[in-house]
Amino acid sequence: AQSVTQPDIHITVSEGASLELRCNYSYGATPYLFWYVQSPGQGLQLLLKYFSGDTLVQGIKGFEAEFKRSQSSFNLRKPSVHWSDAAEYFCAVGARSGANNLFFGTGTRLTVIP
Amino acid sequence: GAGVSQTPSNKVTEKGKYVELRCDPISGHTALYWYRQSLGQGPEFLIYFQGTGAADDSGLPNDRFFAVRPEGSVSTLKIQRTERGDSAVYLCASASGSSAEAFFGQGTRLTVV
Repeated sequence: AQSVTQPDIHITVSEGASLELRCNYSYGATPYLFWYVQSPGQGLQLLLKYFSGDTLVQGIKGFEAEFKRSQSSFNLRKPSVHWSDAAEYFCAVGARSGANNLFFGTGTRLTVIP
Repeated sequence: GAGVSQTPSNKVTEKGKYVELRCDPISGHTALYWYRQSLGQGPEFLIYFQGTGAADDSGLPNDRFFAVRPEGSVSTLKIQRTERGDSAVYLCASASGSSAEAFFGQGTRLTVV
């Protein structure tokens, strides 16, 4: 069965500090992996996605994610967090590149303190 | 408009009533998706349209839920005999193709009392 685990419900970081959000997945086939961000009053926005190739994927807003097959992980990172990064972050897995039938984790809420 | 528009933004209905939720996708987008997000959870897939047809409706939880997209643009999600467990934010997204990035609307918050 497919599943996505985001073990951290809430993370607080200082502005300028580095960030890593964890994501572990279980999927029966070769997965497409995604990170989305959801800000208050905004729709979900795609940060990045991975299917094959280089295991380090660059996304928008300075985010990157690393795919580790041996650990079934796809952790999201950012070297220096900005106050505007405060939001809810969702990891998702699917069978294709598009948004059909994606399975989402429960999300990690990021708070940024000055 | 420039983005995906969902109306109404909020809907309160009584248990047992019928509701319709509307999604106006980005102009020209052929792919359209419905998800729902319960409190404290990630989005849950409901249905995917490619053009006018439902290409994947495997996420619809039961036969009380139905969605249409008759002209390949606007879509309506219909829920019959609503239950309190249907309370959630219903999200719509559209994309230029089945493999393209999907753009999400802000959702309709449905509350069943």
